[in-house]
Amino acid sequence: SYVMTQPPSVSVAPGETATIACGGEDIGSKSVHWYQQKPGQAPLLVIYYDSDRPSGIPERFSGANSGNTATLTISRVEAGDEADYHCQVWDRDGEQGVFGGGTKLTVL
Amino acid sequence: DVLLEEFGGGLVQPGGSLRLSCAASGFIFRDYAMTWVRQAPGKGLEWVSALSGSGGNTYYSDSVKGRFSISRDNSKNTLYLQMDKLRAADTATYFCAKDLFATSSSWIVNSWGRGTLVTVSS
Repeated sequence: SYVMTQPPSVSVAPGETATIACGGEDIGSKSVHWYQQKPGQAPLLVIYYDSDRPSGIPERFSGANSGNTATLTISRVEAGDEADYHCQVWDRDGEQGVFGGGTKLTVL
Repeated sequence: DVLLEEFGGGLVQPGGSLRLSCAASGFIFRDYAMTWVRQAPGKGLEWVSALSGSGGNTYYSDSVKGRFSISRDNSKNTLYLQMDKLRAADTATYFCAKDLFATSSSWIVNSWGRGTLVTVSS
């Protein structure tokens, strides 16, 4: 089945920009969705279809997808953005959903 | 407001069975595809299974195919996951989740329950 790779951790200072990558073979041909998960909570959808934001998600969250890498970018990072971030796609060939391994974002 | 509540988790021996339920409210249940996602302790999310609003199309991850069965009762606004031949590796919190869009299965989940813990151990 399709495999996606995320860095285990990313650290950023408040006010700076965080970039979280999600790698996969020709991932640019798929639609990528991103979820934020804080400790003890259910995940929250923050980006879908590569770059769309659900209502209520700040404009600071953006996404892009091309080639073999999709990225979630969080601008002007705040302490409240500290969480695990998971990418997800629908694998049409395997007829199943797939999550990346998740990235822990630490705000220094 | 959308509310999803999972039931049925617990301790089960390897090789045993368990049936999870997810009670849904706050939306027109039959219009939405539904998904089960699990998370082992301290690990990332793992997609498990999904089915369309009518229940006519079902999908499974390679790791559960042939052992788990997803179903729904639209008259009761309830989603199910029948889990057979359970293994230690199935130990996880199981979340049920609702699709983002009505009537078309996007397989994007935007509403989640709080999850129910399944522990497979002797």
